[in-house]
Amino acid sequence: TQLLEQSPQFLSIQEGENLTVYCNSSSVFSSLQWYRQEPGEGPVLLVTVVTGGEVKKLKRLTFQFGDARKDSSLHITAAQPGDTGLYLCAGALDSNYQLIWGAGTKLIIKP
Amino acid sequence: EAGVAQSPRYKIIEKRQSVAFWCNPISGHATLYWYQQILGQGPKLLIQFQNNGVVDDSQLPKDRFSAERLKGVDSTLKIQPAKLEDSAVYLCASSLNGRGVTGELFFGEGSRLTVL
Repeated sequence: TQLLEQSPQFLSIQEGENLTVYCNSSSVFSSLQWYRQEPGEGPVLLVTVVTGGEVKKLKRLTFQFGDARKDSSLHITAAQPGDTGLYLCAGALDSNYQLIWGAGTKLIIKP
Repeated sequence: EAGVAQSPRYKIIEKRQSVAFWCNPISGHATLYWYQQILGQGPKLLIQFQNNGVVDDSQLPKDRFSAERLKGVDSTLKIQPAKLEDSAVYLCASSLNGRGVTGELFFGEGSRLTVL
């Protein structure tokens, strides 16, 4: 069974602080997606990373795909209350493109 | 462009009763997914359709869950009989890409099921 582990499971910090959440697996992925889900809504795609070592920036969010394409990280600079939500990573297996989901990191940014 | 539509948003039933959820994907999207999301967890794939054919239903509890996608457009997911552990949000998603390619998934708002 392929697993995608996210850490931490829960993070509560003050507005303006920086944070990093991680997504790790022993499986190799052809691509990895990060989604954000707000209460009562479905997940919304933030970014897709495809190349090992790739770094993508989306305003204050920086996404990195590991060199071996087995892990990824999301770094948020100067977090804001609007960043609050459940952050999910989903990896597409190299072998069959099946999408494997992590359990998510619940992030709360306090004003 | 209209998003993924799901109904009902909320449903409360007693155990052993049946329930059905409906999903209308984004027009032109070939792939449709049903996910189960239990509070505090990530989505768990129940079934994936490519047009009107099943691609993956390995995690669908087939003794009580069924799904169909007639004509390759909208889809229904049925649970009969429901158990307490079926309480969850049922998310429908669609994507433009065909089999063998993983693109962006567009999700509906979900149907929250409570089984008493």
